[in-house]
Amino acid sequence: DTAVSQTPKYLVTQMGNDKSIKCEQNLGHDTMYWYKQDSKKFLKIMFSYNNKELIINETVPNRFSPKSPDKAHLNLHINSLELGDSAVYFCASRPNGLSFGGNEKLFFGSGTQLSVL
Amino acid sequence: QKEVEQDPGPLSVPEGAIVSLNCTYSNSAFQYFMWYRQYSRKGPELLMYTYSSGNKEDGRFTAQVDKSSKYISLFIRDSQPSDSATYLCAVPLFSGGYNKLIFGAGTRLAVHP
Repeated sequence: DTAVSQTPKYLVTQMGNDKSIKCEQNLGHDTMYWYKQDSKKFLKIMFSYNNKELIINETVPNRFSPKSPDKAHLNLHINSLELGDSAVYFCASRPNGLSFGGNEKLFFGSGTQLSVL
Repeated sequence: QKEVEQDPGPLSVPEGAIVSLNCTYSNSAFQYFMWYRQYSRKGPELLMYTYSSGNKEDGRFTAQVDKSSKYISLFIRDSQPSDSATYLCAVPLFSGGYNKLIFGAGTRLAVHP
């Protein structure tokens, strides 16, 4: 069973379109994240939810809107896609977002490769 | 200055070589240090973590922290082609009441037979 699953795996779309990426985790974790990885492999946090509550909101254009219907799901909707949005988007989860004891690792999905043409 | 700096490489070594991967960090308050490994077209996976200073060994992998120079290292002994991946160092950063994991840029490693 896949622990953190994202769909779709690949997304190719035109500039100006609106698209969504879905994420589900079956680990019973409280905290979920969206990370963006650019072409140089730099992995940057975008958002985090803890028990459906937004706890981290980095400096991300408001065209990006996360939604967490329950603690097992965290979706990412992107409006008016731009060329610069092309990247790999990773969903991740961990037991809770309150602290890092060193052994509380992030579990990542396999990523969604978004290409904006 | 970024919280974590890492040379992106790429680094190419022959099989059996000892590999040294390094990061520097800016905040002396950081306590935990992690190394993630990311294979092509996969998400990162935690490889090792260390607390404070010193070494931690796990098989062919050794993680080392030098807090005096704010330097973290990952050594791979007897490197194998299966070690070919991107290695990302990471530190938890406390901000806005919550911890978030900050990653270095990642170093791409290729081990050739």
